[in-house]
Amino acid sequence: DAKTTQPPSMDCAEGRAANLPCNHSTISGNEYVYWYRQIHSQGPQYIIHGLKNNETNEMASLIITEDRKSSTLILPHATLRDTAVYYCIVRAAINKLVFGAGTILRVKS
Amino acid sequence: GAVVSQHPSWVICKSGTSVKIECRSLDFQATTMFWYRQFPKQSLMLMATSNEGSKATYEQGVEKDKFLINHASLTLSTLTVTSAHPEDSSFYICSARPPSGKVNEQFFGPGTRLTVL
Repeated sequence: DAKTTQPPSMDCAEGRAANLPCNHSTISGNEYVYWYRQIHSQGPQYIIHGLKNNETNEMASLIITEDRKSSTLILPHATLRDTAVYYCIVRAAINKLVFGAGTILRVKS
Repeated sequence: GAVVSQHPSWVICKSGTSVKIECRSLDFQATTMFWYRQFPKQSLMLMATSNEGSKATYEQGVEKDKFLINHASLTLSTLTVTSAHPEDSSFYICSARPPSGKVNEQFFGPGTRLTVL
């Protein structure tokens, strides 16, 4: 599976949009982009995933560039409860999820 | 939504004893389950993958005789840490994947905090 690069940490003001970038320049055609988050001392929580097209659900939006080499997770109105480690993972559908270091998002009031 | 539970949520044991952790998929059948370990301030590390009714596949560096995995049913997998030592103290997290119709989905349990004295 392709490797991903994320900034180690980011801050966001409460109520503002949080935009978390992820680089995956070696992604293959059959690999999906997944986002999970882990709130302190809990198991990871699925957020969203996509292949080519942009995706949106009740939690977030996923914007994938046309060349698929990078993506951005958008939390439209961040709250304090969104403070967590966010993991961007690239994998083929049947492969296992391998976690990198992730981005620590701190939402501040 | 799909729920995965773990039991116990935390356990303290003496060095040399064995500890069993259960992972259950509550509202779906999980053909594949995964076990992860997470040390403080580190990311999750995949330990093994288990498919119902077959032997688990362990990641490189994970001792299969020390971390016994049983996936006897489509809703239950267990991880037994045998002869636990203080260095085995960690946060153990399981994950379950629904049947092949939804291969993109993988749901995680809340984790089990193991402390070995």
